[in-house]
Amino acid sequence: EPEVTQTPSHQVTQMGQEVILRCVPISNHLYFYWYRQILGQKVEFLVSFYNNEISEKSEIFDDQFSVERPDGSNFTLKIRSTKLEDSAMYFCASSGYLYEQYFGPGTRLTVT
Amino acid sequence: AQSVTQLDSQVPVFEEAPVELRCNYSSSVSVYLFWYVQYPNQGLQLLLKYLSGSTLVKGINGFEAEFNKSQTSFHLRKPSVHISDTAEYFCAVIPSASKIIFGSGTRLSIRP
Repeated sequence: EPEVTQTPSHQVTQMGQEVILRCVPISNHLYFYWYRQILGQKVEFLVSFYNNEISEKSEIFDDQFSVERPDGSNFTLKIRSTKLEDSAMYFCASSGYLYEQYFGPGTRLTVT
Repeated sequence: AQSVTQLDSQVPVFEEAPVELRCNYSSSVSVYLFWYVQYPNQGLQLLLKYLSGSTLVKGINGFEAEFNKSQTSFHLRKPSVHISDTAEYFCAVIPSASKIIFGSGTRLSIRP
Protein backbone atom coordinates (compact mmCIF):
# COMPACT_ATOMS: atom_id res chain seq x y z
CA GLU A 1 0.00 0.00 0.00
CA PRO A 2 1.46 3.39 -0.93
CA GLU A 3 2.39 5.65 1.96
CA VAL A 4 3.77 9.07 2.74
CA THR A 5 7.36 9.02 3.95
CA GLN A 6 9.28 11.66 5.86
CA THR A 7 12.95 12.22 6.58
CA PRO A 8 14.62 12.52 8.96
CA SER A 9 12.61 10.93 11.73
CA HIS A 10 14.34 13.14 14.28
CA GLN A 11 16.22 16.39 13.72
CA VAL A 12 18.11 18.27 16.39
CA THR A 13 19.22 21.80 15.59
CA GLN A 14 20.45 24.89 17.35
CA MET A 15 18.37 28.00 17.65
CA GLY A 16 18.84 30.28 14.66
CA GLN A 17 19.81 27.49 12.28
CA GLU A 18 17.93 26.61 9.12
CA VAL A 19 16.28 23.22 8.80
CA ILE A 20 14.66 21.44 5.89
CA LEU A 21 12.16 18.69 6.54
CA ARG A 22 11.53 16.35 3.66
CA CYS A 23 8.48 14.43 2.58
CA VAL A 24 7.71 12.08 -0.27
CA PRO A 25 3.94 12.15 -0.85
CA ILE A 26 1.98 9.33 -2.42
CA SER A 27 2.92 9.33 -6.08
CA ASN A 28 -0.37 10.19 -7.78
CA HIS A 29 -1.49 12.74 -5.20
CA LEU A 30 -1.81 16.38 -6.13
CA TYR A 31 -2.46 18.13 -2.82
CA PHE A 32 0.20 18.44 -0.13
CA TYR A 33 0.10 19.67 3.43
CA TRP A 34 2.22 20.32 6.49
CA TYR A 35 0.94 20.12 10.05
CA ARG A 36 2.69 20.33 13.38
CA GLN A 37 2.04 18.96 16.85
CA ILE A 38 3.74 20.54 19.81
CA LEU A 39 4.23 17.98 22.57
CA GLY A 40 0.99 17.36 24.43
CA GLN A 41 -1.05 19.60 22.15
CA LYS A 42 -3.31 19.09 19.19
CA VAL A 43 -2.29 18.81 15.58
CA GLU A 44 -2.27 22.21 13.86
CA PHE A 45 -2.51 23.03 10.19
CA LEU A 46 0.42 24.95 8.73
CA VAL A 47 0.06 25.08 4.96
CA SER A 48 -1.46 23.43 1.93
CA PHE A 49 0.07 23.30 -1.54
CA TYR A 50 -1.43 22.58 -4.93
CA ASN A 51 -0.29 23.14 -8.48
CA ASN A 52 3.07 24.46 -7.31
CA GLU A 53 1.70 27.16 -5.10
CA ILE A 54 0.38 27.66 -1.61
CA SER A 55 -3.40 27.18 -1.42
CA GLU A 56 -3.87 28.19 2.17
CA LYS A 57 -1.68 28.90 5.19
CA SER A 58 -2.27 29.43 8.86
CA GLU A 59 -1.12 32.34 10.97
CA ILE A 60 1.63 30.08 12.30
CA PHE A 61 3.14 29.91 8.82
CA ASP A 62 5.00 33.20 8.88
CA ASP A 63 7.93 34.44 6.81
CA GLN A 64 10.27 32.02 8.58
CA PHE A 65 8.55 29.13 6.86
CA SER A 66 8.55 28.13 3.22
CA VAL A 67 7.51 25.10 1.20
CA GLU A 68 8.75 23.77 -2.06
CA ARG A 69 8.26 20.90 -4.42
CA PRO A 70 11.74 20.81 -5.93
CA ASP A 71 11.11 17.82 -8.16
CA GLY A 72 8.33 15.42 -9.03
CA SER A 73 8.51 13.47 -5.80
CA ASN A 74 9.68 15.56 -2.84
CA PHE A 75 7.82 18.17 -0.81
CA THR A 76 9.87 20.18 1.67
CA LEU A 77 9.28 22.48 4.60
CA LYS A 78 12.04 24.95 5.38
CA ILE A 79 12.36 26.91 8.59
CA ARG A 80 14.89 29.69 8.04
CA SER A 81 15.89 30.59 11.57
CA THR A 82 14.60 28.14 14.10
CA LYS A 83 13.29 29.18 17.50
CA LEU A 84 12.84 27.12 20.63
CA GLU A 85 9.09 27.20 20.12
CA ASP A 86 9.46 25.50 16.74
CA SER A 87 10.21 22.26 18.57
CA ALA A 88 7.40 19.93 17.58
CA MET A 89 6.46 16.92 15.52
CA TYR A 90 5.93 17.93 11.90
CA PHE A 91 3.61 15.86 9.77
CA CYS A 92 3.39 15.87 6.02
CA ALA A 93 0.18 14.76 4.33
CA SER A 94 -1.00 14.29 0.79
CA SER A 95 -4.33 13.69 -0.87
CA GLY A 96 -5.67 12.71 -4.23
CA TYR A 97 -9.22 13.58 -3.27
CA LEU A 98 -9.72 16.83 -1.42
CA TYR A 99 -11.29 15.29 1.64
CA GLU A 100 -9.01 12.37 2.42
CA GLN A 101 -5.50 13.15 3.58
CA TYR A 102 -2.83 10.54 4.23
CA PHE A 103 -0.23 11.37 6.83
CA GLY A 104 3.43 10.50 7.10
CA PRO A 105 5.03 9.24 10.33
CA GLY A 106 6.35 12.68 11.20
CA THR A 107 9.68 14.36 11.88
CA ARG A 108 10.43 15.29 15.45
CA LEU A 109 12.24 18.62 15.45
CA THR A 110 14.13 19.58 18.58
CA VAL A 111 15.55 23.10 18.77
CA THR A 112 18.15 23.64 21.47
CA ALA B 1 -14.96 29.32 11.84
CA GLN B 2 -15.53 25.61 12.06
CA SER B 3 -14.15 23.71 15.02
CA VAL B 4 -14.46 20.45 16.90
CA THR B 5 -14.55 19.85 20.63
CA GLN B 6 -13.49 16.63 22.27
CA LEU B 7 -14.87 16.73 25.75
CA ASP B 8 -12.75 13.97 27.24
CA SER B 9 -8.99 14.25 27.29
CA GLN B 10 -8.61 10.73 28.64
CA VAL B 11 -10.87 7.70 28.64
CA PRO B 12 -9.84 4.61 30.60
CA VAL B 13 -11.75 1.44 29.85
CA PHE B 14 -11.40 -2.26 30.54
CA GLU B 15 -10.50 -4.66 27.77
CA GLU B 16 -13.53 -6.06 25.93
CA ALA B 17 -15.74 -3.28 27.28
CA PRO B 18 -17.54 -0.87 24.95
CA VAL B 19 -16.26 2.66 24.49
CA GLU B 20 -17.58 5.96 23.21
CA LEU B 21 -15.35 8.92 22.46
CA ARG B 22 -17.27 12.14 22.20
CA CYS B 23 -16.92 14.84 19.57
CA ASN B 24 -19.02 17.91 18.93
CA TYR B 25 -18.57 20.23 15.98
CA SER B 26 -19.55 23.80 15.31
CA SER B 27 -22.41 24.07 12.89
CA SER B 28 -21.87 24.96 9.28
CA VAL B 29 -23.55 24.56 5.94
CA SER B 30 -21.41 21.68 4.78
CA VAL B 31 -19.84 19.35 7.29
CA TYR B 32 -17.14 16.84 6.56
CA LEU B 33 -16.09 14.95 9.66
CA PHE B 34 -13.28 12.54 10.38
CA TRP B 35 -11.74 10.46 13.10
CA TYR B 36 -8.00 9.87 13.06
CA VAL B 37 -5.99 7.59 15.35
CA GLN B 38 -2.41 8.10 16.47
CA TYR B 39 -0.72 5.04 17.94
CA PRO B 40 2.26 5.64 20.22
CA ASN B 41 5.19 7.13 18.31
CA GLN B 42 3.40 6.92 14.99
CA GLY B 43 1.68 9.23 12.55
CA LEU B 44 -2.02 9.82 12.02
CA GLN B 45 -4.18 7.16 10.45
CA LEU B 46 -7.67 7.73 9.09
CA LEU B 47 -10.25 5.66 11.00
CA LEU B 48 -13.40 6.79 9.24
CA LYS B 49 -15.04 9.74 7.55
CA TYR B 50 -18.44 11.27 7.02
CA LEU B 51 -18.95 13.26 3.84
CA SER B 52 -22.65 12.64 3.12
CA GLY B 53 -25.23 9.88 3.00
CA SER B 54 -25.79 7.38 5.80
CA THR B 55 -25.30 8.91 9.23
CA LEU B 56 -23.76 5.71 10.59
CA VAL B 57 -20.24 5.38 9.32
CA LYS B 58 -18.14 2.26 9.73
CA GLY B 59 -14.38 2.45 9.82
CA ILE B 60 -11.37 0.26 10.31
CA ASN B 61 -10.61 -1.89 13.37
CA GLY B 62 -14.28 -2.26 14.29
CA PHE B 63 -14.91 1.41 14.98
CA GLU B 64 -18.01 3.29 13.90
CA ALA B 65 -19.35 6.81 14.32
CA GLU B 66 -22.73 8.41 14.02
CA PHE B 67 -23.31 11.83 12.53
CA ASN B 68 -26.06 13.60 14.48
CA LYS B 69 -26.95 16.92 12.91
CA SER B 70 -29.44 18.00 15.59
CA GLN B 71 -26.90 17.48 18.35
CA THR B 72 -23.92 18.54 16.20
CA SER B 73 -22.09 15.42 17.30
CA PHE B 74 -19.94 12.75 15.71
CA HIS B 75 -19.19 10.30 18.51
CA LEU B 76 -16.88 7.35 17.93
CA ARG B 77 -17.84 3.94 19.27
CA LYS B 78 -16.52 0.42 19.51
CA PRO B 79 -18.50 -2.41 21.10
CA SER B 80 -15.48 -4.24 22.49
CA VAL B 81 -12.00 -2.77 22.79
CA HIS B 82 -8.63 -4.51 22.75
CA ILE B 83 -5.29 -3.61 24.23
CA SER B 84 -4.15 -2.74 20.71
CA ASP B 85 -6.69 0.11 20.59
CA THR B 86 -4.58 2.06 23.06
CA ALA B 87 -3.92 5.31 21.21
CA GLU B 88 -4.88 8.94 20.89
CA TYR B 89 -7.99 9.63 18.86
CA PHE B 90 -8.61 12.90 17.07
CA CYS B 91 -11.90 14.16 15.77
CA ALA B 92 -11.50 16.51 12.83
CA VAL B 93 -13.46 18.71 10.47
CA ILE B 94 -12.60 20.02 7.03
CA PRO B 95 -13.79 23.63 6.70
CA SER B 96 -12.23 24.01 3.27
CA ALA B 97 -10.63 21.72 0.77
CA SER B 98 -7.24 22.86 1.93
CA LYS B 99 -6.95 21.90 5.56
CA ILE B 100 -8.09 19.76 8.47
CA ILE B 101 -9.00 21.24 11.83
CA PHE B 102 -8.30 18.75 14.61
CA GLY B 103 -9.78 18.48 18.05
CA SER B 104 -7.58 18.34 21.09
CA GLY B 105 -7.58 14.56 21.16
CA THR B 106 -8.77 11.82 23.51
CA ARG B 107 -6.30 9.38 24.96
CA LEU B 108 -7.85 5.92 25.15
CA SER B 109 -6.18 3.64 27.67
CA ILE B 110 -7.20 0.02 27.92
CA ARG B 111 -6.93 -1.83 31.21
CA PRO B 112 -6.56 -5.63 31.12
